[in-house]
Amino acid sequence: SQQGEEDPQALSIQEGENATMNCSYKTSINNLQWYRQNSGRGLVHLILIRSNEREKHSGRLRVTLDTSKKSSSLLITASRAADTASYFCATDRIQSNYKLTFGKGTLLTVNP
Amino acid sequence: NAGVMQNPRHLVRRRGQEARLRCSPMKGHSHVYWYRQLPEEGLKFMVYLQKENIIDESGMPKERFSAEFPKEGPSILRIQQVVRGDSAAYFCASSLGLLEETQYFGPGTRLLVL
Repeated sequence: SQQGEEDPQALSIQEGENATMNCSYKTSINNLQWYRQNSGRGLVHLILIRSNEREKHSGRLRVTLDTSKKSSSLLITASRAADTASYFCATDRIQSNYKLTFGKGTLLTVNP
Repeated sequence: NAGVMQNPRHLVRRRGQEARLRCSPMKGHSHVYWYRQLPEEGLKFMVYLQKENIIDESGMPKERFSAEFPKEGPSILRIQQVVRGDSAAYFCASSLGLLEETQYFGPGTRLLVL
C-alpha cells in the first residue's frame, strides 16, 4: 500500500481561491516534502517539513504536519492559473531518509 | 547554477533494444537517485548511488536494469532488452549529501517502447 497518499485526487478552483491538499502516510518519518509537477515536466521542490515541526510557510504556501495522525496538508493561498499542476507529497523512512515514497498526487486546476 | 540535467528527454526504442538514460547531478552534488513514474502514478524509488558506489538498489528490477555513477561523467541508468512495460518517465534526482534531505529532480526521460 502507498506510504503517502494525497487527497483529493483532483481539485478544481477559481483563481484567487485557496486550495488545500492533504497527504496521509503510514510509517514514521524524518521529513515530509511537497513537490509540484507540471504536465509532462519534472518535479519542482516546494517545501520540506521535519517531523519535529508542525507548520511551515513559504510565500503563498503553508504546510502543516500532524505526526500523531500521520498526515500533512498543503495550502496554497490566492491561487493563480499558473498554480495548475499535480502536487505530490513525498515521505522518507526513519531507517532510510534518502528513499522517498510518493503518492499518486493531487491534480489542481485553477480556472482563470 | 544549472539544475539536474537528463538526456535524452524522449527516447523511443523497439522491444529487445537497449536504453541508456543519462543524468548529470547539480554542481557539487555527489548523491544521485533514480525514480520511475508510470502513467497516472507517483514516482517509485529505484536506486541510490554515490560516486562509484551503489548504496541501495532495492527498487531496481532484478533483471535487465543496471545503474552506475562513475568517478567522471554522468550517472547512467541502463535497461537491456526493453519490453513495453518499461515505458515510463525516468527521473533522476541529486542531493548535496546524506544529511541534506532535499532531492532536486531533473526534467526526466520519457521512454517509449514500441
